[in-house]
Formats: sequence, structure tokens, C-alpha cells
Amino acid sequence: QLQLQESGPGLVKPSETLSLTCTVSGGSISSRTDYWGWIRHPPGKGLEWIASIYYTGSAYYNPSLKSRVTISIDTSNNQFSLTVTSLTAADTAVYYCARENYDNSGPLDYWGQGTLVTVSS
Amino acid sequence: IQLTQSPSFLSASVGDRVTITCRASQGIYTYLAWYQKKPGKAPNLLIYSASTLQSGVPSRFSGSGSGTEFTLTISSLQPEDFATYYCQQLNSYPYSFGQGTKLEIK
Repeated sequence: QLQLQESGPGLVKPSETLSLTCTVSGGSISSRTDYWGWIRHPPGKGLEWIASIYYTGSAYYNPSLKSRVTISIDTSNNQFSLTVTSLTAADTAVYYCARENYDNSGPLDYWGQGTLVTVSS
Repeated sequence: IQLTQSPSFLSASVGDRVTITCRASQGIYTYLAWYQKKPGKAPNLLIYSASTLQSGVPSRFSGSGSGTEFTLTISSLQPEDFATYYCQQLNSYPYSFGQGTKLEIK
């Protein structure tokens, strides 16, 4: 059974940089049929897709965040990561990592439990 | 690609049949998924490719549509179905979600 687990700080200060890691177990992050993505859910708002990456390093970004976001992948450790710079209170959200299953046209079928990130001084 | 869900809020009773609509700003063939989101939990994939039921999802959930208009139907609401529902287009990056439909108990 595929499992994903987010890790990272729960509290970060405005203007600082957030780094999150997603560890994948029960399957290979080098799967040729999967992309790996980050999604966030700000309190009281809807879901927002942030970015996705393939095992080769090919990545796609949400244009609204692209200037501040970097997604990367570490196939040797079966992990992928997200970096968000210049944080503001608007970046406060639960951050999820998930698998995009291209065998089934790309839906997010496995998710981590989510990690709450609060941006506050 | 923008997705617009309607209604944004829906009040219904156990046993009711409900339908949620998702409209895309441009054609996306059948590259659409539906998720159920409960507070404190990760979203749960219900439907992909517009009408394919994800393994383990009850058959009272169904999806239809293609192009720009899609629907999610719950045939007979159960108490555990009260949640927020989101559509997501998978036709092209950046993938986008609808704004959500909150289904509440009447």
C-alpha cells in the first residue's frame, strides 16, 4: 500500500522560506506512470494545486506561485520536496503531497495526511 | 482553465438524491476528477475520467459529462456523505480545482 508523509516546520515567520518534504513508502517514486504533487488548503478557502514533478525532474507550477516555489525530487531517498520563499500570512495552509496517477489520466489517488503551516511572527 | 461549481452550498437530508455541477472555462474532454473533503482529513478521490468510480468508493456516487459540463450525483445521501466536494481538471497544467460545494445536513 502506497503511503505518503509530509514533514516540515509548523510555524514560520513572514518573509522566511518554507521547506517541506514528502517521503513515499510502499512504492517507487521513480515510477514511469506517476507524477508527484503538492496541494494546499488555506483555512476557510478551497484547494489549490501548487506544483508537480516527474522522476526525471520535469516539473510544472501554478503560475500564481511560480516565482516563489520550487519542487524537487530525490529518487535515491524516495522523497520529493517543496520550497516556498517570501512567505506571508496568505501562505498559511495545510500542505498535502499526493501522487498523480497517469495510468488513470492523472487524478490524485494517494495523499499524505497533510501538515499545517502557519506563517506568523 | 477555470472551474466553477454550483451550487456552492447545498442543504439536503439523508436519503436525498443530490447533484453537483462543475463547468470548465474551456473543453477538457473527460479529464475531470471529483474529491470529497472532510475537516482534518486529506481529500479522497471519488471519480476520475469524469465517470470512473475509484476503487472502494460506494456505488451511490456517480459522475458524468464531457467537454465543459460535468456532474457528480449521490443517489441516496448517507450521514457520512456530508462534506465538501471539489472537482479538478486534469486536461492541462496548471491543474485547477473548483471552489468547492459544501453539502450540509438539512
